[in-house]
Amino acid sequence: ELKVEQNPLFLSMQEGKNYTIYCNYSTTSDRLYWYRQDPGKSLESLFVLLSNGAVKQEGRLMASLDTKARLSTLHITAAVHDLSATYFCAPANTGNQFYFGTGTSLTVIP
Amino acid sequence: DAMVIQNPRYQVTQFGKPVTLSCSQTLNHNVMYWYQQKSSQAPKLLFHYYDKDFNNEADTPDNFQSRRPNTSFCFLDIRSPGLGDAAMYLCATSREGGFHTEAFFGQGTRLTVV
Repeated sequence: ELKVEQNPLFLSMQEGKNYTIYCNYSTTSDRLYWYRQDPGKSLESLFVLLSNGAVKQEGRLMASLDTKARLSTLHITAAVHDLSATYFCAPANTGNQFYFGTGTSLTVIP
Repeated sequence: DAMVIQNPRYQVTQFGKPVTLSCSQTLNHNVMYWYQQKSSQAPKLLFHYYDKDFNNEADTPDNFQSRRPNTSFCFLDIRSPGLGDAAMYLCATSREGGFHTEAFFGQGTRLTVV
């Protein structure tokens, strides 16, 4: 089973600031998902990264994947309150299973 | 339009009474997954179907079973729910094999055991 670690677990940041969430995983993976979850809700797909060096951006969020380092990052630019949520990374193995990281609970403070 | 639909959204069951949760999809995806998410934890993969092939995670308790009668539907059966099985249950689908897609989640079923 893939082991997945995210850091930080909790992140409190001011509006307008930048920050990066890190996702490390233990074994070879050919793709990685990022999801957002609001309290009491299901998971909303943000990005799917399919190859080494992949970079995707949507609004204030940008995700990247380094398969050799087994590392993905989610960068937040000029945070706004609406970004407050829990963010999960989920790398997939060759057997089609994908396993979630511990999650990063983000609070953006006005 | 919802593409992955879970029913019911909320389910209350008695301790030890079998319960079935359902998931349907309109995406014609070949893979369907079931995850369990307890409060303030990450979703945990229970099992998945690749077409009709069932793949159980090694640490999924025997109390949890699944059925996939056709491409569109998948069921999660909990044979004897315990208090520790109270959680959000999430169904997801994806297309695998050559071209990978996003994995889409349903709205989840929140299970309460009394």
